[in-house]
Amino acid sequence: EVQLVESGGHLVQPGGSLRLSCAASGFSFGIYSMNWVRQAPGKGLEWVSHIISSSTTMYYADSVKGRFTISRDNAKNSLYLQMTSLRDEDTAVYYCARDAYWNFDLWGRGTLVTVSS
Amino acid sequence: QSVLTQPPSVSAAPGQKVTISCSGSNSNIGNNYVCWYQQFPGTTPKLLISENNKRPSGIPDRISGSKSGTSATLGITGLQTGDEADYFCGTWDSSLSAYVFGTGTKVTVL
Repeated sequence: EVQLVESGGHLVQPGGSLRLSCAASGFSFGIYSMNWVRQAPGKGLEWVSHIISSSTTMYYADSVKGRFTISRDNAKNSLYLQMTSLRDEDTAVYYCARDAYWNFDLWGRGTLVTVSS
Repeated sequence: QSVLTQPPSVSAAPGQKVTISCSGSNSNIGNNYVCWYQQFPGTTPKLLISENNKRPSGIPDRISGSKSGTSATLGITGLQTGDEADYFCGTWDSSLSAYVFGTGTKVTVL
């Protein structure tokens, strides 16, 4: 089955760190660019970060630049998001999304990150 | 605050048509493809339209997309109760070097 499964989200204190993972299956993960997109409770979609298939190019939203790092391991069919210096406003469901020329055609179910003291 | 503006809500009776606008600028919609996503409450977003007007496999032809200048439009004809959802436009912004989503529009079937 073609799918993306996120994991790693949980409650963390402000200033803390967290690493999210996204496991891909059912397709050739290594040829696709990938993204992280988040959605705060009751809010719209916010793009977070993008990484191309070879990991040589990454992009970040200004809101997370310098704090979050996207990476991938094509041998393990996995995408990651290392989050540091977490803030209350980072509280959201984090989705990984497959990227076909900036068309996000496959999404995971998301993992909830809650930043609170 | 999103650089792509959508109306907060649109509504119509079953069987009627709704259109959702997405307004941007030359750095995003004006020079890049637009996608549209559908999201039901508590569920994962789904790609409805890619590259301004292309429907992925399984998306019915009563769903359509178009683009003119710095605006894009999603159209849904033959409205059904199952179309009640939130809809987001999205595109790459060349000035920001970032992907941007629209503010989102809630479709209500009266």
